[in-house]
Amino acid sequence: GEDVEQSLFLSVREGDSSVINCTYTDSSSTYLYWYKQEPGAGLQLLTYIFSNMDMKQDQRLTVLLNKKDKHLSLRIADTQTGDSAIYFCAERGGRRALTFGSGTRLQVQP
Amino acid sequence: GAGVSQTPSNKVTEKGKYVELRCDPISGHTALYWYRQSLGQGPEFLIYFQGTGAADDSGLPNDRFFAVRPEGSVSTLKIQRTERGDSAVYLCASSQSPAGELFFGEGSRLTVL
Repeated sequence: GEDVEQSLFLSVREGDSSVINCTYTDSSSTYLYWYKQEPGAGLQLLTYIFSNMDMKQDQRLTVLLNKKDKHLSLRIADTQTGDSAIYFCAERGGRRALTFGSGTRLQVQP
Repeated sequence: GAGVSQTPSNKVTEKGKYVELRCDPISGHTALYWYRQSLGQGPEFLIYFQGTGAADDSGLPNDRFFAVRPEGSVSTLKIQRTERGDSAVYLCASSQSPAGELFFGEGSRLTVL
């Protein structure tokens, strides 16, 4: 079945870059997503990448996809305290619904 | 409304009771999804509707869980004979098309005592 895995926690200093990693198992994944969840708030789509791409940049966010290794990463440049949240990786494969990882909690220290 | 609306935002019930959770998707969105998020976990897929029909209900954990979307808009997730393990945040999402971006509501937090 489909499985998505992420590390649980990342701590960085304000102004540094953050890199959050994700691995997935579904070789038929067509889209891969990064969502952000702040306390008490809903899931917010940050960015996504189509499976035939290997990189996508959107302002401070850079997504890298290694399809051979089924590895996805999200880099946040110049991390700010407002970036503190839980970040979820998700994939959409043969099934229309998304499969989510368990989330990486990003803590940004001033 | 502008976004996906879920009610109630919080529900506390006793073990064995029946619960209904409502989702009002973004107007015009044909696809609707229910997810369950337990503490410290990512959202877990429950069921997906395309229009009025359940296109994929493979995530429903057992027959105590049921969902409907009779007119292709509002959906209700129904949980019978609730158990303490059902305690979680139930998230609803909608999208304009089956392959479109999912927009999530803020969830209904269910606590079963």
